[in-house]
Amino acid sequence: DGGITQSPKYLFRKEGQNVTLSCEQNLNHDAMYWYRQDPGQGLRLIYYSQIVNDFQKGDIAEGYSVSREKKESFPLTVTSAQKNPTAFYLCASSIEKGYRSPLHFGNGTRLTVT
Amino acid sequence: KQEVTQIPAALSVPEGENLVLNCSFTDSAIYNLQWFRQDPGKGLTSLLLIQSSQREQTSGRLNASLDKSSGRSTLYIAASQPGDSATYLCAPNFGNEKLTFGTGTRLTIIP
Repeated sequence: DGGITQSPKYLFRKEGQNVTLSCEQNLNHDAMYWYRQDPGQGLRLIYYSQIVNDFQKGDIAEGYSVSREKKESFPLTVTSAQKNPTAFYLCASSIEKGYRSPLHFGNGTRLTVT
Repeated sequence: KQEVTQIPAALSVPEGENLVLNCSFTDSAIYNLQWFRQDPGKGLTSLLLIQSSQREQTSGRLNASLDKSSGRSTLYIAASQPGDSATYLCAPNFGNEKLTFGTGTRLTIIP
């Protein structure tokens, strides 16, 4: 079955530690995205990548970093510089860039930083 | 600023009823609009993508309409079922390399 796999489902970290969230897709999609979801707010775009070895900042990129070394993989690192890292993180992909085709989402990683 | 509003935030209806979910947006210059559903603790599932040139898009019991001039989209669900209970989100594409998501309508279908 094709899809997007995010791991782990739950992640707990101490303040000051960097943490990396995994996102893998086997849909052969060019475009991949990271969103953050907080209660009562719409999804907010952190980073996106339209092609391997290229990525762009979204609306709330501060304190986050990404890489896109392979088409299938788009890991997100939450650094200690991120002020409020506790959130639900969602990875998505689409076959075309520019949101011209439907977005496919993973099941998310819930990060808790204490 | 481009904003997306979904009202009401929560809705409960008896099983079998038809219902309409609303999405309004402040910028009529959209390229397309997607409707998603999200089950608790899960990711989003794309339901329908309606292009700016279309007025309607249908999939099974779901029908999405788009009125750019008034800045509105609706999602019509026919013959609702308990399995339709979820949060429904709309996301217009304003052509600025991102989708703008509404905060969603939490739908509960009462058996």
